[in-house]
Amino acid sequence: LAKTTQPISMDSYEGQEVNITCSHNNIATNDYITWYQQFPSQGPRFIIQGYKTKVTNEVASLFIPADRKSSTLSLPRVSLSDTAVYYCLVGAPGYSSASKIIFGSGTRLSIRP
Amino acid sequence: AAGVIQSPRHLIKEKRETATLKCYPIPRHDTVYWYQQGPGQDPQFLISFYEKMQSDKGSIPDRFSAQQFSDYHSELNMSSLELGDSALYFCASSLGPLAGGNEQFFGPGTRLTVL
Repeated sequence: LAKTTQPISMDSYEGQEVNITCSHNNIATNDYITWYQQFPSQGPRFIIQGYKTKVTNEVASLFIPADRKSSTLSLPRVSLSDTAVYYCLVGAPGYSSASKIIFGSGTRLSIRP
Repeated sequence: AAGVIQSPRHLIKEKRETATLKCYPIPRHDTVYWYQQGPGQDPQFLISFYEKMQSDKGSIPDRFSAQQFSDYHSELNMSSLELGDSALYFCASSLGPLAGGNEQFFGPGTRLTVL
């Protein structure tokens, strides 16, 4: 699975837009890019997934440039409750069997009032 | 909506004892994954099952074993417990393997403390 690199931590304020960038230089053709959010002592929660260009859902947007060597998770108008660790994962789903998810070092996002 | 259920939520054991963690996936989900997360650490994949067969294996110690039953629930058995086994153990489930990018749904975790 492709190795990912994210900032260790980020700080922002309520109401701001937060962009977290993940580098994945060795991404393979079949790899998807997935972001998870984890609160303390809780299981990770799926946020968004994409393969190329832009994906948007009710929670976030994911921007993937043409070379797919990086991706940016965009959280619009963050609130205090968005304080969490955000993980970027890259990997090819298994088509005949389950595929593991390899968690790298996530980004600890702290939102201030 | 139904979520992944894990039991027990908390477990305290002595060194060299055994422990069994249970996971009940979301109804109709046939794939189960186990992760271990130590204090201040990132989740580490242990093992996964698809349709009751072991599918993938990560950094699971030989002292640990797991299986998925006919009703798709899974149990993680841990023997000869060590202090370093103290961690949060998460179970996740998905509908089918991660083909096409099926997302994993994580349970609340079991906090194991080994004294």
